[in-house]
This record gives sequence, structure tokens and C-alpha cells, in this order.
Amino acid sequence: LAKTTQPISMDSYEGQEVNITCSHNNIATNDYITWYQQFPSQGPRFIIQGYKTKVTNEVASLFIPADRKSSTLSLPRVSLSDTAVYYCLVDTGNGNKLVFGAGTILRVKS
Amino acid sequence: EPEVTQTPSHQVTQMGQEVILRCVPISNHLYFYWYRQILGQKVEFLVSFYNNEISEKSEIFDDQFSVERPDGSNFTLKIRSTKLEDSAMYFCASSETGQGNYGYTFGSGTRLTVV
Repeated sequence: LAKTTQPISMDSYEGQEVNITCSHNNIATNDYITWYQQFPSQGPRFIIQGYKTKVTNEVASLFIPADRKSSTLSLPRVSLSDTAVYYCLVDTGNGNKLVFGAGTILRVKS
Repeated sequence: EPEVTQTPSHQVTQMGQEVILRCVPISNHLYFYWYRQILGQKVEFLVSFYNNEISEKSEIFDDQFSVERPDGSNFTLKIRSTKLEDSAMYFCASSETGQGNYGYTFGSGTRLTVV
């Protein structure tokens, strides 16, 4: 399984765009990049998944360069409720387990 | 939006007692998982279950742990003789296909406290 590296924490203010970058140098050809969000005492929640280039949904955008060795989660105009831990994972598919790292603690301030 | 439902939300048990944590995965999902998270630590994989059998388990999932899908809708985790270090949040998750695109849906968890 490819190891992921992301910042331990980030601070932002309401209304700003937040970009969290993750590196996954050993990503395999069939791997997807997946981001989850976790609030205290709750289960992780799927945010977005991508394989290459750009993926956008109603919550976030995911940018993946051509070499796929990194990815950037972009959260537009964050609010206080976006304060959470964000996990970057490499999903091998086929029902395999997800391996969570420490994640990035995002603190949004007013 | 479909949900994974876990019961109970909190469970306090005495050391050495057996506990059963229950989960109702999303109805058309085929892959089922248990994870745990000790307070302040990472989310850790315990076991995956597909086609009525364990497909993978971690080192944590020793002989004290077992899983079952007794009736086609529930998915349970049993801890036979709880230890203090089993105190954690336990999350059930399910996935439709196990493939890329859809992600895994996690439940809200059961907080297990062993005293």
C-alpha cells in the first residue's frame, strides 16, 4: 500500500479557500486517491475520490497532477463547520482495507 | 442518503465480559468492515468481510474477536473477553463494490469503555 504524507495541521479563516496537499510517491497504477473527513466522535465521511486530473463535486475539488505522486484537496470558502480532520488515502479497490494516517487537522477560525 | 447504522452508541462493560457490537450496512453493499479508533489515535483496520467470510484481518483481530453476518442485514463484531485496551470507538463500514469511485460509508460508531 502506498504511504501518504500530509501536513499535521492547518489554520484558516471563514470564507477562505483551503488547499491540503498530500504526497503518495509510491502510488500504483490501479490506485485511486480518496479523501475523508472526520469530526470528533464520528466515523470518517467520504469527501471525494479521483484517479487523475481534476474531480469536482458539491463539497470539494481534487487536483491530481499527471505523475499522480501527489494530490491537492481544495475546499472552497470554508466555514467553522469544516473544522475537522482530513485524511488522504490511497484506495486500491477490490474491497481492500483503507489505511488511515494521522490526517490533517484543519481549524477554521472566525 | 443511505446510512450505516451502529448500535449501541455507547457501551460500558467490565473487563472479561463479552460484548457484541451491531451494525446494519447499506442494503445493496457487499463489502463490510470493522475499524477502531483509540482516543487520540489513528483509525485502525480490524477486519473485512465479503461473501460471508473474512477476506482480511489485522494483527489486532486476534482470537478474542469474531464477526458474523447472521441474517443478511446485520453485521456484528464480538469481543469474547474484553480487556482495558479494547476501549475505543468502533466503526463499521460498508462498500458497494470495493472498487474505486464510490468510497466507503462509515457508521457513527460505538464507543466501548471497558472498566
